[in-house]
Amino acid sequence: QQQVKQSPQSLIVQKGGISIINCAYENTAFDYFPWYQQFPGKGPALLIAIRPDVSEKKEGRFTISFNKSAKQFSLHIMDSQPGDSATYFCAASENDYKLSFGAGTTVTVRA
Amino acid sequence: GAVVSQHPSWVICKSGTSVKIECRSLDFQATTMFWYRQFPKQSLMLMATSNEGSKATYEQGVEKDKFLINHASLTLSTLTVTSAHPEDSSFYICSASDRGRGDTQYFGPGTRLTVL
Repeated sequence: QQQVKQSPQSLIVQKGGISIINCAYENTAFDYFPWYQQFPGKGPALLIAIRPDVSEKKEGRFTISFNKSAKQFSLHIMDSQPGDSATYFCAASENDYKLSFGAGTTVTVRA
Repeated sequence: GAVVSQHPSWVICKSGTSVKIECRSLDFQATTMFWYRQFPKQSLMLMATSNEGSKATYEQGVEKDKFLINHASLTLSTLTVTSAHPEDSSFYICSASDRGRGDTQYFGPGTRLTVL
């Protein structure tokens, strides 16, 4: 049973466009929400993370929006570039321990 | 900083043999290491959690006698797949965290195991 639901499964965006990936969770004890980027044949790399005490966090072209009441959080990739083509996973953990991963979203950026 | 390495990056073995995969934290001390497996186009599935010097905690459905985990030092954990079979073929990924420095999990590059 997946504790974190992620959508869409895949998306295609034009270069310069915005990619938006959404995640929802049920466990209100989750207190850490990271996003990972994974290229084929490689391990995931931490992209950005947020805690429930803030509603938004921005790092470069990547922004997390967090809605505690709705138990949802999303990743926005601004000015998408071909190098951003990868699979993105949202995750959540309780007391910074085991991560529960979403199913993943494959992003394709067309030049 | 926070680099995790895995060795080997890929391995091919015959059915019935055992394979050992190493996971090392190169520039920090990993109080906790995690082992995941990932099938093509799927998410990461946690197999077990190990703390330095103690026995690993396995997730439900993961055979502890088949997937032996040792976390003998603060920088090294090993996963041994015993009597491997073709259905064990997968991408195995470790991650490491230092609970004294924020608990972020840093992932290794993964090991592709193919059992013939």
